[in-house]
Amino acid sequence: DAGVTQSPTHLIKTRGQHVTLRCSPISGHKSVSWYQQVLGQGPQFIFQYYEKEERGRGNFPDRFSARQFPNYSSELNVNALLLGDSALYLCASSQGRTQYFGPGTRLLVL
Amino acid sequence: GQQVMQIPQYQHVQEGEDFTTYCNSSTTLSNIQWYKQRPGGHPVFLIQLVKSGEVKKQKRLTFQFGEAKKNSSLHITATQTTDVGTYFCAGHGDNNDMRFGAGTRLTVKP
Repeated sequence: DAGVTQSPTHLIKTRGQHVTLRCSPISGHKSVSWYQQVLGQGPQFIFQYYEKEERGRGNFPDRFSARQFPNYSSELNVNALLLGDSALYLCASSQGRTQYFGPGTRLLVL
Repeated sequence: GQQVMQIPQYQHVQEGEDFTTYCNSSTTLSNIQWYKQRPGGHPVFLIQLVKSGEVKKQKRLTFQFGEAKKNSSLHITATQTTDVGTYFCAGHGDNNDMRFGAGTRLTVKP
C-alpha cells in the first residue's frame, strides 16, 4: 500500500503570493493533519480534518486554511505569503491516534 | 496552553554508548508518542504510551511514561550509527492537536 503522498515536493514563491499544498492519505485513513516544521524545530500543528470536518486548529493566522475532500485527500492553502512561512509542510494521516507522515513539501518564500 | 519540552537539544555520543532523551509536559497527557526523523526526512512513528508508568521496549530502545503522565523518556542502549536522527516526543493537547517537543538531535561517532 502507498504511504502518505504530498505534492509538490518543493516550491519557491515570493512574498504576497498564494500557495496550495496537497496531500493524499493512506488508503482507509479518514483523518488528515497538517504541520509546519521550521528548520531545527519540531512540527507545529496547523489543522486536523476528519470526515471533511475541521477537528482541530493550531495557533496560526487566518491566512492559513485547509479543506478535506470526499476521498479524504486534503489541501492546505496559505495566502499573502511571508518570508517566515518558509518551512517544511508535513501532512499526516491517521487511524486512531497513530500518525503517519508524508515526505512533506518544502516551501521557500523569497 | 500545553507546552511540551524536550532535553537535551543535542547529544553527541561515541558508537556503543547509551543515549537518553527526556520529555516533559506542563499538563497531564492522555498519551505520548515518539517519532524519529532522519536528516532530510520526515517524522516516523516509533511508539505510543498510554498508561501511567508504562514501559515498552523495541530492541535497544526503551520508552517510559511517567506515573503522573506528564513526562516520558527514550533510552537507547549501545547506540549505532543507524540511530542518528532527531527524536521527538508528542502529546495530545486540549485542542485535539498534537504538541511536539523541539526534539533531541542525536549524532553518533563511529
